[in-house]
Amino acid sequence: EAQVTQNPRYLITVTGKKLTVTCSQNMNHEYMSWYRQDPGLGLRQIYYSMNVEVTDKGDVPEGYKVSRKEKRNFPLILESPSPNQTSLYFCASSVLPLTGEVAPQYFGPGTRLLVL
Amino acid sequence: AQRVTQPEKLLSVFKGAPVELKCNYSYSGSPELFWYVQYSRQRLQLLLRHISRESIKGFTADLNKGETSFHLKKPFAQEEDSAMYYCPLGSYKLIFGSGTRLLVRP
Repeated sequence: EAQVTQNPRYLITVTGKKLTVTCSQNMNHEYMSWYRQDPGLGLRQIYYSMNVEVTDKGDVPEGYKVSRKEKRNFPLILESPSPNQTSLYFCASSVLPLTGEVAPQYFGPGTRLLVL
Repeated sequence: AQRVTQPEKLLSVFKGAPVELKCNYSYSGSPELFWYVQYSRQRLQLLLRHISRESIKGFTADLNKGETSFHLKKPFAQEEDSAMYYCPLGSYKLIFGSGTRLLVRP
C-alpha cells in the first residue's frame, strides 16, 4: 500500500531534550516536506526537500533541522525543543512536478508533540 | 505576496442544505489550487485540484481568476462531510490558509 508513515504518533517530552520524528514514504517520491498544524493558523511549512541531499527552509524553520540521506526518509530533528514547538506535525511527499503539471501531496498520519 | 484566505473558521449547515466553503487567494502568475479535507483525527487527503475539474464526493470547485477565488460547493451536504477543509495554493510548496471547519447537523 502506497503511504507516508510517521513515528512516533504521540510524544511527550521536556524542554531541551533532543528528539527526532521519522517520516518514510514508499512511493519513490522525490519531494518531501514537513508542516506543523496549529489552531487558527492552518498548516505552515517547516522544511522541504526536492531530492536526496537537497533541503531548504520553509516558512517556519527556526528550531528544526532535517536531513535527506535516503530518498524514502526525511526525519525532523528538534535539537532543543521548547514549549512553543508543541504542535501537530505532518510529513508529506509527492513526485517532483514537471513544468506546468500539478503534483498532489500525500500526507502522513501526523505526530502530536507536547513539550513541557 | 502569496496568500490564501479562508474567511470562515466554522460553517454549520443542516443535512441536505447546500454548502459553499470560501477560498480566496493572492498570487502572481497562474495559481495551482487544491482542496484538502481532514476528517477527525485523520491525515489530510486530497479532495480536488483545479486542473482536473472533477467532482469528488459531490463537491466541485471552480477557479475564478477575476475574483481570485476557488470556492468549494456541494448542493446537498451530508453528515459525513463534517471535517476540516483547506484550500492550499501552489504545487510542491503548498501555502495553506487557516482552514474552515464544516459541521453538518442532522
